[in-house]
Amino acid sequence: DTEVTQTPKHLVMGMTNKKSLKCEQHMGHRAMYWYKQKAKKPPELMFVYSYEKLSINESVPSRFSPECPNSSLLNLHLHALQPEDSALYLCASSQYDSSTEAFFGQGTRLTVV
Amino acid sequence: GESVGLHLPTLSVQEGDNSIINCAYSNSASDYFIWYKQESGKGPQFIIDIRSNMDKRQGQRVTVLLNKTVKHLSLQIAATQPGDSAVYFCAGVLDNAGNMLTFGGGTRLMVKP
Repeated sequence: DTEVTQTPKHLVMGMTNKKSLKCEQHMGHRAMYWYKQKAKKPPELMFVYSYEKLSINESVPSRFSPECPNSSLLNLHLHALQPEDSALYLCASSQYDSSTEAFFGQGTRLTVV
Repeated sequence: GESVGLHLPTLSVQEGDNSIINCAYSNSASDYFIWYKQESGKGPQFIIDIRSNMDKRQGQRVTVLLNKTVKHLSLQIAATQPGDSAVYFCAGVLDNAGNMLTFGGGTRLMVKP
């Protein structure tokens, strides 16, 4: 099983809403990542969890709050987002760190209205 | 400036021809490079990787070449098929980016029947 599963696939939310994106992998990977991808642009790293601890936060606004409940799950909690936060949010995992092959999920297409 | 970048935003090839997608990286050491394929509405899909102690690596119909002297990376796709149409990203683990996976700008490959 080399799958990273993200839910939901699509999400439309208002600027006052609170929602969560979910990511799951059962490959035993110990590093998990959140990326943001705008149209026609490459993915940009947001957060890195290593062994369930937040190791990197790439200056992401506090309206994005990551959580790693266990080694298989990664959440991204969203609150008071802006329309410019609309993007494809990608979750990825790798065995130990970024020096090993990273597998990506299919992403959550987020639209903020 | 960008640490990893692709030379051409769009490449159009005839079905059956070979495709070559190029990527350059900045003046920093990197241990690891990956090529990803991203189809419309999907997450990036791992194609092939290469470490800096290698010059060449082959997969099924794909070859990655690494020239450390000129800091250049290429992906060669043999006998290109319509299913190869996608955006291709090179990504590298760069020590001037916190040893995290950094994506280049992407090349859209269009295969003409």
